[in-house]
Amino acid sequence: AQTVTQSQPEMSVQEAETVTLSCTYDTSESDYYLFWYKQPPSRQMILVIRQEAYKQQNATENRFSVNFQKAAKSFSLKISDSQLGDAAMYFCAYRGNQAGTALIFGKGTTLSVSS
Amino acid sequence: DTAVSQTPKYLVTQMGNDKSIKCEQNLGHDTMYWYKQDSKKFLKIMFSYNNKELIINETVPNRFSPKSPDKAHLNLHINSLELGDSAVYFCASSQVPTEAFFGQGTRLTVV
Repeated sequence: AQTVTQSQPEMSVQEAETVTLSCTYDTSESDYYLFWYKQPPSRQMILVIRQEAYKQQNATENRFSVNFQKAAKSFSLKISDSQLGDAAMYFCAYRGNQAGTALIFGKGTTLSVSS
Repeated sequence: DTAVSQTPKYLVTQMGNDKSIKCEQNLGHDTMYWYKQDSKKFLKIMFSYNNKELIINETVPNRFSPKSPDKAHLNLHINSLELGDSAVYFCASSQVPTEAFFGQGTRLTVV
């Protein structure tokens, strides 16, 4: 069975600084997708970034980028120029490529941002 | 237009009652899910439906019964509610290989 591990329950960063959230996963599948979701206090689940396993290039979305290491099964999220609005819980998620498969989530990392 | 909408947003009920949560998606996705988020914020898959067919049925008490009348709807009915059922329940939909889109969640409180 696939598992997702986020080893940092809490992280903190100052405004304008850079922070990296860690995620590792375990799978025997070769074709899969990885995601980072953000959950602010409003509890809405918001997609931050997506990575297809077959793509070697790391995904980037504005201030958010990932470091995808397929062999090491590592998928970290880097947030540059942190803003107060980035404070939230961040979840790493894995999904296989079969129809009907569910996203498997890590336990989350709570990110606090100070001014 | 809301992509995935679930109702109600909040539900407070007594132990032993039966309640339902409704979910609808207008994205044309084939797959819909129910997730449970516990007090520690852990998100766990409960059920997955693909084209109205039950695909994933995790270890969930029989008191929980999903129903998918059509591809766009997935409802969750809970019988004989217990204190431990208190949680946030999320409906989501997806289409391989895209990400899942989530509803706003239903906070269920059993007293």
